[in-house]
Amino acid sequence: RKEVEQDPGPFNVPEGATVAFNCTYSNSASQSFFWYRQDCRKEPKLLMSVYSSGNEDGRFTAQLNRASQYISLLIRDSKLSDSATYLCVPKGGNTGNQFYFGTGTSLTVIP
Amino acid sequence: NAGVTQTPKFQVLKTGQSMTLQCAQDMNHEYMSWYRQDPGMGLRLIHYSVGAGITDQGEVPNGYNVSRSTTEDFPLRLLSAAPSQTSVYFCASSSRRALINEQFFGPGTRLTVL
Repeated sequence: RKEVEQDPGPFNVPEGATVAFNCTYSNSASQSFFWYRQDCRKEPKLLMSVYSSGNEDGRFTAQLNRASQYISLLIRDSKLSDSATYLCVPKGGNTGNQFYFGTGTSLTVIP
Repeated sequence: NAGVTQTPKFQVLKTGQSMTLQCAQDMNHEYMSWYRQDPGMGLRLIHYSVGAGITDQGEVPNGYNVSRSTTEDFPLRLLSAAPSQTSVYFCASSSRRALINEQFFGPGTRLTVL
């Protein structure tokens, strides 16, 4: 079983739409959770950390369900600049500081 | 702060050649890691280090060596390049002490092995 599984995508949505990405992780000992954004042929950059049951940052809302080992990312009022690949990243657990990267979900926002 | 820097940005090698990918960070981070990213796959951990003088293997270590003589530098060595090592390589660092200790990535090295 993969450490992290994400929606395969791609998601093509019009500007202004709301879109949600799902992610499940297999290591129940994971302690921290992150969503990273990766633009084409660039390095991943942190979008938001996910702590407690979830948090919100502007148009972005992340939710965490530890019992179901499930993380989600909601993007409201999509912008063209949101087009990217979104990586779900649980961290820690039995191996300590190791980060586990999903294959990512591709989002294209269409004018 | 420059953050995490990597050199070179692009490299073409012939099968059997050796080379070193450089990685440096100026944030005094304890943890440093090397990943490779291939199409359709997530980032896969090659080697990592929890501090100067300490390294360990990740998920795909074969064909790669690392060393960590200083906190700042974490070079990745390809001893005898193979076409299967064609990939994009990212170096990352993180702090053990930070409250939100996310990984910071370098810009990547795009390696082609012919």
